[in-house]
Amino acid sequence: KNEVEQSPQNLTAQEGEFITINCSYSVGISALHWLQQHPGGGIVSLFMLSSGKKKHGRLIATINIQEKHSSLHITASHPRDSAVYICVAVLGRGGADGLTFGKGTHLIIQP
Amino acid sequence: DAGVIQSPRHEVTEMGQEVTLRCKPISGHNSLFWYRQTMMRGLELLIYFNNNVPIDDSGMPEDRFSAKMPNASFSTLKIQPSEPRDSAVYFCASSLRAWGFEKLFFGSGTQLSVL
Repeated sequence: KNEVEQSPQNLTAQEGEFITINCSYSVGISALHWLQQHPGGGIVSLFMLSSGKKKHGRLIATINIQEKHSSLHITASHPRDSAVYICVAVLGRGGADGLTFGKGTHLIIQP
Repeated sequence: DAGVIQSPRHEVTEMGQEVTLRCKPISGHNSLFWYRQTMMRGLELLIYFNNNVPIDDSGMPEDRFSAKMPNASFSTLKIQPSEPRDSAVYFCASSLRAWGFEKLFFGSGTQLSVL
């Protein structure tokens, strides 16, 4: 069974700081997703990646398949980035058994 | 497009009652997913459909839970009878094709409280 560990669990930073959230998994995967859950509860899918790096605005996601590790970076952080960030590892073709969710990283950006 | 629409937003019911949660996926999306989120267990995938057919329901906790997708634009998640431990936020999501390799679009969720 795949184990997914996120770190840190909680992170408080000042506006403008560079943020890194990490996700490590124990077995080889076919893809990894980063989700963002806003304080109101809504969930947004940020990235799906299976190799390399993806960038969208101030958000960058990277994955290293050999090291079984992914990172989510936020440049020039802003209070509106405050949210819970969840990584989801996809094993094989997915499905209930093939998905492993991280517990999430609670990020607070203070003005 | 209006996005994934879930109803109701909040549901409060008494133990033993039947609860039905509803979801309208984004038009044209072929896959639909039901998730449950609790403080203890985080996000869990309950079931997913591809082209209206249930592909994997191994995440459904027990027989009290059932899900249907009678057509491409509507799905229900039913709990009968409901129990207090079913209290959670239930999310529906859809994607253009099968999950794993496509971006997911989530609904706003249904906050369920079973008293």
